[in-house]
Amino acid sequence: DTEVTQTPKHLVMGMTNKKSLKCEQHMGHRAMYWYKQKAKKPPELMFVYSYEKLSINESVPSRFSPECPNSSLLNLHLHALQPEDSALYLCASSQVAGTEAFFGQGTRLTVV
Amino acid sequence: AQSVTQLGSHVSVSEGALVLLRCNYSSSVPPYLFWYVQYPNQGLQLLLKYTSAATLVKGINGFEAEFKKSETSFHLTKPSAHMSDAAEYFCAVTSSGNTGKLIFGQGTTLQVKP
Repeated sequence: DTEVTQTPKHLVMGMTNKKSLKCEQHMGHRAMYWYKQKAKKPPELMFVYSYEKLSINESVPSRFSPECPNSSLLNLHLHALQPEDSALYLCASSQVAGTEAFFGQGTRLTVV
Repeated sequence: AQSVTQLGSHVSVSEGALVLLRCNYSSSVPPYLFWYVQYPNQGLQLLLKYTSAATLVKGINGFEAEFKKSETSFHLTKPSAHMSDAAEYFCAVTSSGNTGKLIFGQGTTLQVKP
């Protein structure tokens, strides 16, 4: 099983809403990632969790708040987003940080 | 800082023709290198990876890539294109320090004409 599952697939939220993106993997991977991808652009790293601890925060605004409840789950809490935050949010995992990453199908987020 | 350059943002080939997508990286040490494919409205799928075990790497769907240290290149090839190969292709390299961060190229859109 090389699957990373993301929910929801699509999300529309207002600028005053609070929502969460969820990511799950059952491959025993100890590194998990959040990437943001704008149209026609490569993914940009947001956060890295290694052994359930936040190891990289790429200067992401505080309206994005990651959480790693356990080794299989990764959440991204969203609050007071801006329309420019609309993008495809991709979760990925790897055996350990630095090995090949497996990506989920992404959540298409639209902020209105 | 490491970087990845994909030459050609758009490549068009005929069905059955050779596919060649170019990738050059900048690194002082042999990195881990990857090719990913992304179909519309989907996530990224790993095609193949280079991790210093062999310079010629075979991946899924008939793709392969050759690591050439002297040229700092990792070009992706497929002998015969299929319509289903039409997608966005990204070359990526791991950042130094094994942080897990992937440095992506800007991507190449592959169009396959019937």
